[in-house]
Amino acid sequence: DGGITQSPKYLFRKEGQNVTLSCEQNLNHDAMYWYRQDPGQGLRLIYYSQIVNDFQKGDIAEGYSVSREKKESFPLTVTSAQKNPTAFYLCASSMLLAETGELFFGEGSRLTVL
Amino acid sequence: AQSVTQLGSHVSVSEGALVLLRCNYSSSVPPYLFWYVQYPNQGLQLLLKYTTGATLVKGINGFEAEFKKSETSFHLTKPSAHMSDAAEYFCAVSGSGTASKLTFGTGTRLQVTL
Repeated sequence: DGGITQSPKYLFRKEGQNVTLSCEQNLNHDAMYWYRQDPGQGLRLIYYSQIVNDFQKGDIAEGYSVSREKKESFPLTVTSAQKNPTAFYLCASSMLLAETGELFFGEGSRLTVL
Repeated sequence: AQSVTQLGSHVSVSEGALVLLRCNYSSSVPPYLFWYVQYPNQGLQLLLKYTTGATLVKGINGFEAEFKKSETSFHLTKPSAHMSDAAEYFCAVSGSGTASKLTFGTGTRLQVTL
């Protein structure tokens, strides 16, 4: 079945540590996205990529980094510079020039900083 | 620029009652509009979408929404709520002709009681 796989589903980290969240898709989508979800704030865009080896900052990119070395993969690193990293992180993908902009989401990764 | 406002962060209905979740949007270009549903600790799933054409859109699980340009609204309805409808619902907008960048509302949590 085609879809988006995020791992790990739950992750605990000590303050000052970097952590990388994995996102893999087999939908042959060109565009991939990372969103952060906090209670009462909806989804906020961290980074997105429309093509391999290129990505753009979203609304809350500070303290995060990404790479897009393969079409299928878009890992997110939460660095120690992120002041409040505890959140639910969602990866999504879409066809690049989709008429409708419909996104397909993974199951999410919940990061807790101890 | 585009934005979405969802009125009511929490809505409670009795099983069998009408569900009405409100969404108003702003967009500088003709909008594409979406409703997504999220069950606890999961990703988002598309319920329905409006692109062009018929303004009354039917989605999965008996939900529908009507695009009203004059009111800049896209409210989600279901005639009869079921316990399984309890979830968080997100309205989203993208601008037609843009590269798949959605703006999400802050979400409405639907509670269904016996």
